[in-house]
Amino acid sequence: GAVVSQHPSWVICKSGTSVKIECRSLDFQATTMFWYRQFPKQSLMLMATSNEGSKATYEQGVEKDKFLINHASLTLSTLTVTSAHPEDSSFYICSARDYRGVTEAFFGQGTRLTVV
Amino acid sequence: QQQVKQSPQSLIVQKGGISIINCAYENTAFDYFPWYQQFPGKGPALLIAIRPDVSEKKEGRFTISFNKSAKQFSLHIMDSQPGDSATYFCAASSQGTDKLIFGTGTRLQVFP
Repeated sequence: GAVVSQHPSWVICKSGTSVKIECRSLDFQATTMFWYRQFPKQSLMLMATSNEGSKATYEQGVEKDKFLINHASLTLSTLTVTSAHPEDSSFYICSARDYRGVTEAFFGQGTRLTVV
Repeated sequence: QQQVKQSPQSLIVQKGGISIINCAYENTAFDYFPWYQQFPGKGPALLIAIRPDVSEKKEGRFTISFNKSAKQFSLHIMDSQPGDSATYFCAASSQGTDKLIFGTGTRLQVFP
Protein backbone atom coordinates (compact mmCIF):
# COMPACT_ATOMS: atom_id res chain seq x y z
CA GLY A 1 0.00 0.00 0.00
CA ALA A 2 0.92 3.65 -0.24
CA VAL A 3 3.00 5.30 2.46
CA VAL A 4 2.05 8.25 4.62
CA SER A 5 4.81 9.61 6.81
CA GLN A 6 4.26 11.72 9.91
CA HIS A 7 6.93 13.75 11.65
CA PRO A 8 7.80 13.89 14.44
CA SER A 9 6.78 10.56 16.00
CA TRP A 10 6.75 12.15 19.41
CA VAL A 11 7.25 15.63 20.81
CA ILE A 12 7.34 17.20 24.24
CA CYS A 13 6.72 20.90 24.50
CA LYS A 14 6.21 23.50 27.19
CA SER A 15 2.80 24.91 27.90
CA GLY A 16 2.14 28.02 25.82
CA THR A 17 4.39 27.08 22.91
CA SER A 18 3.33 25.93 19.44
CA VAL A 19 4.07 22.61 17.82
CA LYS A 20 3.97 21.69 14.13
CA ILE A 21 3.26 18.16 12.91
CA GLU A 22 3.91 17.22 9.28
CA CYS A 23 2.06 14.64 7.23
CA ARG A 24 3.52 13.59 3.88
CA SER A 25 2.27 11.21 1.23
CA LEU A 26 5.48 9.65 -0.04
CA ASP A 27 4.47 7.84 -3.20
CA PHE A 28 1.17 9.33 -4.22
CA GLN A 29 -0.53 12.69 -4.49
CA ALA A 30 -3.24 13.47 -1.97
CA THR A 31 -5.79 16.19 -2.65
CA THR A 32 -7.39 15.42 0.70
CA MET A 33 -5.78 14.68 4.03
CA PHE A 34 -7.49 14.10 7.35
CA TRP A 35 -6.34 14.85 10.89
CA TYR A 36 -7.47 12.73 13.82
CA ARG A 37 -6.96 12.86 17.54
CA GLN A 38 -6.90 9.77 19.71
CA PHE A 39 -6.93 9.64 23.49
CA PRO A 40 -5.62 6.54 25.30
CA LYS A 41 -7.81 3.49 24.75
CA GLN A 42 -10.29 5.50 22.73
CA SER A 43 -11.29 5.73 19.11
CA LEU A 44 -10.05 8.13 16.45
CA MET A 45 -11.92 11.40 16.37
CA LEU A 46 -11.81 13.36 13.15
CA MET A 47 -10.62 16.90 13.75
CA ALA A 48 -10.51 18.35 10.26
CA THR A 49 -10.33 17.65 6.57
CA SER A 50 -7.45 19.29 4.76
CA ASN A 51 -7.83 20.14 1.09
CA GLU A 52 -4.88 21.12 -1.09
CA GLY A 53 -4.97 24.80 -1.94
CA SER A 54 -8.01 25.67 0.15
CA LYS A 55 -9.03 26.17 3.75
CA ALA A 56 -9.45 23.16 5.97
CA THR A 57 -12.89 22.05 7.09
CA TYR A 58 -13.10 21.58 10.84
CA GLU A 59 -15.41 19.24 12.70
CA GLN A 60 -17.83 20.67 15.20
CA GLY A 61 -16.17 21.55 18.48
CA VAL A 62 -12.64 21.77 17.08
CA GLU A 63 -11.06 25.21 17.51
CA LYS A 64 -9.69 26.25 14.13
CA ASP A 65 -7.55 29.00 15.68
CA LYS A 66 -5.91 26.49 17.99
CA PHE A 67 -5.34 23.73 15.45
CA LEU A 68 -4.01 25.41 12.32
CA ILE A 69 -3.97 23.24 9.23
CA ASN A 70 -2.11 23.99 6.04
CA HIS A 71 -2.17 21.83 2.92
CA ALA A 72 0.22 23.68 0.64
CA SER A 73 1.03 20.88 -1.78
CA LEU A 74 -0.36 17.58 -2.99
CA THR A 75 2.04 15.70 -0.72
CA LEU A 76 2.20 17.75 2.47
CA SER A 77 -0.25 18.84 5.14
CA THR A 78 0.74 20.36 8.46
CA LEU A 79 -1.07 20.63 11.78
CA THR A 80 0.10 23.34 14.16
CA VAL A 81 -1.09 23.20 17.73
CA THR A 82 -0.89 26.79 18.92
CA SER A 83 -0.42 27.87 22.52
CA ALA A 84 -0.44 24.26 23.60
CA HIS A 85 -1.79 23.28 27.02
CA PRO A 86 -1.57 19.98 28.90
CA GLU A 87 -5.09 19.06 27.80
CA ASP A 88 -3.85 19.11 24.19
CA SER A 89 -1.61 16.14 25.00
CA SER A 90 -2.80 13.34 22.76
CA PHE A 91 -1.95 11.06 19.84
CA TYR A 92 -2.44 12.88 16.54
CA ILE A 93 -2.82 10.85 13.35
CA CYS A 94 -3.14 11.94 9.74
CA SER A 95 -4.47 10.04 6.78
CA ALA A 96 -4.45 10.70 3.06
CA ARG A 97 -6.40 9.62 0.03
CA ASP A 98 -4.97 9.31 -3.45
CA TYR A 99 -6.11 12.16 -5.73
CA ARG A 100 -7.26 9.61 -8.27
CA GLY A 101 -10.14 8.77 -5.97
CA VAL A 102 -8.90 5.49 -4.58
CA THR A 103 -11.20 4.62 -1.72
CA GLU A 104 -8.58 3.44 0.73
CA ALA A 105 -7.25 5.96 3.23
CA PHE A 106 -3.63 5.49 4.24
CA PHE A 107 -2.63 6.44 7.75
CA GLY A 108 0.55 7.90 9.15
CA GLN A 109 2.25 6.35 12.16
CA GLY A 110 0.96 9.04 14.48
CA THR A 111 2.54 11.74 16.65
CA ARG A 112 2.49 11.56 20.43
CA LEU A 113 2.27 15.12 21.79
CA THR A 114 2.97 15.73 25.45
CA VAL A 115 2.55 19.26 26.79
CA VAL A 116 4.26 19.91 30.13
CA GLN B 1 -27.04 8.84 12.75
CA GLN B 2 -23.35 9.27 12.02
CA GLN B 3 -22.33 6.78 14.70
CA VAL B 4 -20.88 3.35 14.17
CA LYS B 5 -21.44 1.09 17.17
CA GLN B 6 -18.85 -1.59 17.82
CA SER B 7 -18.83 -4.57 20.18
CA PRO B 8 -17.37 -6.11 22.20
CA GLN B 9 -15.08 -3.58 23.83
CA SER B 10 -12.54 -6.30 24.57
CA LEU B 11 -12.11 -9.89 23.51
CA ILE B 12 -9.91 -12.70 24.76
CA VAL B 13 -9.39 -15.66 22.45
CA GLN B 14 -7.21 -18.71 22.62
CA LYS B 15 -4.67 -19.32 19.88
CA GLY B 16 -6.32 -21.07 16.96
CA GLY B 17 -9.77 -19.82 17.86
CA ILE B 18 -12.11 -17.52 15.94
CA SER B 19 -12.33 -13.85 16.89
CA ILE B 20 -15.59 -12.10 16.00
CA ILE B 21 -16.15 -8.34 16.22
CA ASN B 22 -19.44 -6.70 15.33
CA CYS B 23 -20.43 -3.27 14.11
CA ALA B 24 -23.76 -1.59 13.41
CA TYR B 25 -24.64 1.65 11.68
CA GLU B 26 -27.68 3.84 11.06
CA ASN B 27 -26.75 5.99 8.08
CA THR B 28 -27.97 4.23 4.94
CA ALA B 29 -25.76 6.52 2.84
CA PHE B 30 -22.65 4.68 4.06
CA ASP B 31 -21.21 2.67 1.19
CA TYR B 32 -17.71 1.72 2.28
CA PHE B 33 -16.92 -0.34 5.38
CA PRO B 34 -13.25 -0.92 6.25
CA TRP B 35 -11.66 -2.62 9.22
CA TYR B 36 -8.43 -1.32 10.69
CA GLN B 37 -5.85 -2.91 12.97
CA GLN B 38 -3.89 -0.71 15.36
CA PHE B 39 -0.92 -1.65 17.50
CA PRO B 40 0.02 0.51 20.52
CA GLY B 41 1.71 3.75 19.51
CA LYS B 42 1.10 3.19 15.80
CA GLY B 43 -1.36 4.48 13.25
CA PRO B 44 -4.19 2.23 12.02
CA ALA B 45 -3.55 -0.10 9.11
CA LEU B 46 -6.26 -1.28 6.72
CA LEU B 47 -7.05 -4.97 7.07
CA ILE B 48 -9.97 -5.52 4.76
CA ALA B 49 -12.91 -3.53 3.41
CA ILE B 50 -16.28 -4.22 1.85
CA ARG B 51 -18.97 -2.41 -0.12
CA PRO B 52 -22.69 -3.10 0.32
CA ASP B 53 -23.07 -4.90 -3.01
CA VAL B 54 -21.55 -8.08 -1.56
CA SER B 55 -22.42 -9.98 1.61
CA GLU B 56 -19.00 -11.42 2.35
CA LYS B 57 -15.38 -10.79 1.57
CA LYS B 58 -12.46 -12.98 2.56
CA GLU B 59 -8.76 -12.20 2.55
CA GLY B 60 -6.59 -14.86 4.10
CA ARG B 61 -7.69 -15.42 7.70
CA PHE B 62 -9.86 -12.28 7.72
CA THR B 63 -13.50 -12.27 6.59
CA ILE B 64 -16.06 -9.48 6.58
CA SER B 65 -19.71 -10.46 6.73
CA PHE B 66 -22.15 -7.74 5.69
CA ASN B 67 -25.90 -7.63 6.33
CA LYS B 68 -27.36 -4.66 4.51
CA SER B 69 -30.93 -5.06 5.74
CA ALA B 70 -29.79 -5.23 9.37
CA LYS B 71 -27.19 -2.51 8.83
CA GLN B 72 -24.56 -4.64 10.47
CA PHE B 73 -21.14 -5.95 9.52
CA SER B 74 -18.63 -8.08 11.31
CA LEU B 75 -15.00 -9.13 11.19
CA HIS B 76 -14.04 -12.76 11.65
CA ILE B 77 -10.43 -13.68 12.32
CA MET B 78 -9.90 -17.38 11.78
CA ASP B 79 -7.08 -19.32 13.45
CA SER B 80 -6.31 -16.35 15.70
CA GLN B 81 -2.63 -15.90 16.56
CA PRO B 82 -0.87 -14.03 19.39
CA GLY B 83 0.43 -11.62 16.73
CA ASP B 84 -3.19 -10.62 16.06
CA SER B 85 -3.37 -9.07 19.52
CA ALA B 86 -4.19 -5.43 18.77
CA THR B 87 -7.08 -2.99 18.75
CA TYR B 88 -9.50 -3.34 15.86
CA PHE B 89 -11.68 -0.54 14.55
CA CYS B 90 -14.54 -0.75 12.13
CA ALA B 91 -15.35 2.34 10.11
CA ALA B 92 -17.79 3.62 7.53
CA SER B 93 -17.90 6.36 4.97
CA SER B 94 -20.17 7.57 2.22
CA GLN B 95 -19.28 8.62 -1.28
CA GLY B 96 -18.94 12.34 -1.52
CA THR B 97 -17.77 13.05 2.02
CA ASP B 98 -14.76 10.73 2.14
CA LYS B 99 -14.84 11.06 5.93
CA LEU B 100 -14.33 7.87 7.86
CA ILE B 101 -16.50 7.43 10.94
CA PHE B 102 -14.80 5.03 13.33
CA GLY B 103 -16.31 2.57 15.77
CA THR B 104 -15.24 2.61 19.39
CA GLY B 105 -12.65 -0.14 18.98
CA THR B 106 -12.16 -3.69 20.25
CA ARG B 107 -9.07 -4.74 22.11
CA LEU B 108 -8.25 -8.31 21.10
CA GLN B 109 -5.92 -10.49 23.13
CA VAL B 110 -4.94 -13.88 21.77
CA PHE B 111 -3.33 -16.18 24.30
CA PRO B 112 -1.04 -19.06 23.32
